[in-house]
Amino acid sequence: DSGVTQTPKHLITATGQRVTLRCSPRSGDLSVYWYQQSLDQGLQFLIHYYNGEERAKGNILERFSAQQFPDLHSELNLSSLELGDSALYFCASSVGYSWGKTGELFFGEGSRLTVL
Amino acid sequence: AQSVTQLGSHVSVSEGALVLLRCNYSSSVPPYLFWYVQYPNQGLQLLLKYTSAATLVKGINGFEAEFKKSETSFHLTKPSAHMSDAAEYFCAVSPQRKLQGAQKLVFGQGTRLTINP
Repeated sequence: DSGVTQTPKHLITATGQRVTLRCSPRSGDLSVYWYQQSLDQGLQFLIHYYNGEERAKGNILERFSAQQFPDLHSELNLSSLELGDSALYFCASSVGYSWGKTGELFFGEGSRLTVL
Repeated sequence: AQSVTQLGSHVSVSEGALVLLRCNYSSSVPPYLFWYVQYPNQGLQLLLKYTSAATLVKGINGFEAEFKKSETSFHLTKPSAHMSDAAEYFCAVSPQRKLQGAQKLVFGQGTRLTINP
């Protein structure tokens, strides 16, 4: 158990819909990262939040948005869903702003999104 | 920009045989390098990391990797495979110094390791 909690574990929805994925980082971790894992794209970095502020953006679509709340949990919002958005979405957390020498990201078990 | 290439999306070895998973990186600055493992229906877990100290890095579960700058490689090895090693393995790279803010961990495409009895 990594200490990172993601809900829901599975989600099935239709095209055009909107969903919210939730992540609770490990106790004490200030950084939250979102990754998308799909068969064709592999693991893609989406976005990084540190202590409530957005710090880096990766290959995140404009239809997607995220935020980190004062209690440090984070939500990833996916809207106008398309078939190609079906993927496993991982949240990871780390202690500080940069994992640097620690190299340790702690991953949740992921939220599997299926868009029909 | 940083990137990693994992040679072989699938590797199959017999139980007790040597495991060798290949990773080559590209980085314009000195890199940190990592191997993560993903067991079925689980998130990723750190196996080992290179952070510019020793070039031979030992990790959990008997795995080790050697950083070879001249070959831009960071291959993962284990002398004797166990059935429990069956999983997907990801190599990842990050710059040692921050570029324009937070560092990004860039993953390879992954290598699925199968262990034959």
